[in-house]
Amino acid sequence: GAGVSQSPRYKVAKRGQDVALRCDPISGHVSLFWYQQALGQGPEFLTYFQNEAQLDKSGLPSDRFFAERPEGSVSTLKIQRTQQEDSAVYLCASSSRGDGEQYFGPGTRLTVT
Amino acid sequence: GESVGLHLPTLSVQEGDNSIINCAYSNSASDYFIWYKQESGKGPQFIIDIRSNMDKRQGQRVTVLLNKTVKHLSLQIAATQPGDSAVYFCAENDDSNYQLIWGAGTKLIIKP
Repeated sequence: GAGVSQSPRYKVAKRGQDVALRCDPISGHVSLFWYQQALGQGPEFLTYFQNEAQLDKSGLPSDRFFAERPEGSVSTLKIQRTQQEDSAVYLCASSSRGDGEQYFGPGTRLTVT
Repeated sequence: GESVGLHLPTLSVQEGDNSIINCAYSNSASDYFIWYKQESGKGPQFIIDIRSNMDKRQGQRVTVLLNKTVKHLSLQIAATQPGDSAVYFCAENDDSNYQLIWGAGTKLIIKP
């Protein structure tokens, strides 16, 4: 498909485990965003990439969160030593430019037990 | 699907009627506004946008109204259909910042 895809769609992790969430943006989109969405709330910004450069990581809640986009396409959000408060839906969005319309993937629902 | 809307404002509308969803935005410097629709288990989907040099913009069955004086945005959906059931979010930003500021969301329920 031509849209943004994310995998896995659902992830259950035991507290303390590391997880890696993958985002495949729309081909050619230079901008990529990661968001965290708690139940019943709007998405909260985590980090922003322009090509392979991470221009803003101000929304990452702790140093346990790490994101990369080494070749300017696929991105991975990694959470180390997961905690229960990390349980949320993690959304990825891509855009043809930083201030343009963002296209969202379906999200990965992370549940930490 | 996920159980959204436990604490969301909810709007119930009869099928076929028009829906109006409201949003108050916070930043007077914001000059770009977007409405997103999020169905259960899916990511937000772009509906319509408007820039601050306009006060009204129409799409297919949707109209966005912007009142900069009172910092208010509304989304009007004509002839609401069951497929319109979702949570609707407004988002804002200014051209100097790529970050979107998201509103709280409104859950739209369609009554048959």
